[in-house]
Amino acid sequence: QLQLQESGSGLVKPSQTLSLTCVISGGSISTGGYLWTWIRQPPGKGLEWIGSIHHSESTYYNPSLKSRVIISVDRSKSQFSLKLTSVTAADTAVYYCATLYTSSWFAYFDNWGQGTLVTVSS
Amino acid sequence: EIVLTQSPGTLSLSPGERATLSCRASQSVSSSYLAWYHQKPGQAPRLLIYGASSRATGISDRFSGSGSGTDFTLTISRLEPEDFAVYYCQQYGSSPALTFGGGTKVEIK
Repeated sequence: QLQLQESGSGLVKPSQTLSLTCVISGGSISTGGYLWTWIRQPPGKGLEWIGSIHHSESTYYNPSLKSRVIISVDRSKSQFSLKLTSVTAADTAVYYCATLYTSSWFAYFDNWGQGTLVTVSS
Repeated sequence: EIVLTQSPGTLSLSPGERATLSCRASQSVSSSYLAWYHQKPGQAPRLLIYGASSRATGISDRFSGSGSGTDFTLTISRLEPEDFAVYYCQQYGSSPALTFGGGTKVEIK
């Protein structure tokens, strides 16, 4: 059973860079059919896709965040990471890592981390 | 970007009642790429339905999904206490790009 665990700073100052890592266990980051994904959820609000990365390092970003997001993968450590630059209070949210299973027939999130709250505040 | 609009925003029902949740897309979505999740407070979302109508592993047959094109529905035949939660639809498109609906909260009446 694939398990995901987010880690990183829970408090980031405005204009600085948010950095999170998702460690994978119980499976391989090279598993076919998966896009390793970051999703966020502001307090009391809905879900927002941030972006995804394939193990080949192809990346796909939400157009609304694309200019500030970098997602990378480290196969040797079985982890993938998120960097979000120039943060503001609007970036305060619970950040989830998740696996997006994709095929010619289906696409869905089947594994999620527990989520980590990141607060942007001075 | 495809916008998913979920309605109603809140559904107040009693245990044992039937719940019908709607997800409407701003343009046609492939049924293959429409999924439903529920989320309980303090927890990550959990996959319920994929491919618009296929139940995920371990999901009760009280949950069913239907629809095509721009209109999709999640039905919970008889609400159990553990079903009171927030429900989200999600679509996946080319690029890839994906979006979530704004959610429907199913609360105890």
